[in-house]
Amino acid sequence: DQQVKQNSPSLSVQEGRISILNCDYTNSMFDYFLWYKKYPAEGPTFLISISSIKDKNEDGRFTVFLNKSAKHLSLHIVPSQPGDSAVYFCAASAQNQGAQKLVFGQGTRLTINP
Amino acid sequence: DAEITQSPRHKITETGRQVTLACHQTWNHNNMFWYRQDLGHGLRLIHYSYGVQDTNKGEVSDGYSVSRSNTEDLPLTLESAASSQTSVYFCASRGQYTEAFFGQGTRLTVV
Repeated sequence: DQQVKQNSPSLSVQEGRISILNCDYTNSMFDYFLWYKKYPAEGPTFLISISSIKDKNEDGRFTVFLNKSAKHLSLHIVPSQPGDSAVYFCAASAQNQGAQKLVFGQGTRLTINP
Repeated sequence: DAEITQSPRHKITETGRQVTLACHQTWNHNNMFWYRQDLGHGLRLIHYSYGVQDTNKGEVSDGYSVSRSNTEDLPLTLESAASSQTSVYFCASRGQYTEAFFGQGTRLTVV
């Protein structure tokens, strides 16, 4: 049972445009959500997070939106740059339940075209 | 600077052999995790630990074991390596209510 789903395996965006990556979850106990970026032959690196008490968190070019009623979150990157080409994973945890483990989605490969 | 390191970075082993992958962190985090990354599956949790002497099974724990004798280390052991365990393995550590930090990964090939 996939509790965190990223339904788009890949996404291609023109440089300078907005990239929107989507993630859905099924477990209503999840209350903390994170996005990670991964380059080939490297470990995932943290990008941005959001708590369930918020519906938006912004950090520079990256904004994460959370829609709790739809159990959906999205990552917006604007403007997109060639260095943003990577695999992006969303992750969730049920911290109010004492669970520090992160459950990950399948990942979306983002390609930024010049 | 604090870090998390995995060794070896690459390993080739034969079916049936016992293999241990090392993970060492200097963040002083209580929470440590092992994931495997496979195409189409993302990162799947193998085992995790919330502190010394604490270990828990993740979603794909069959054939794997871990032990936690100190805060810094969480070695992952494949008791009898199988071809289905060919994968890239990532170790991570996390403080309470913070992001997790990942190691560089170990690429394991079972032949």
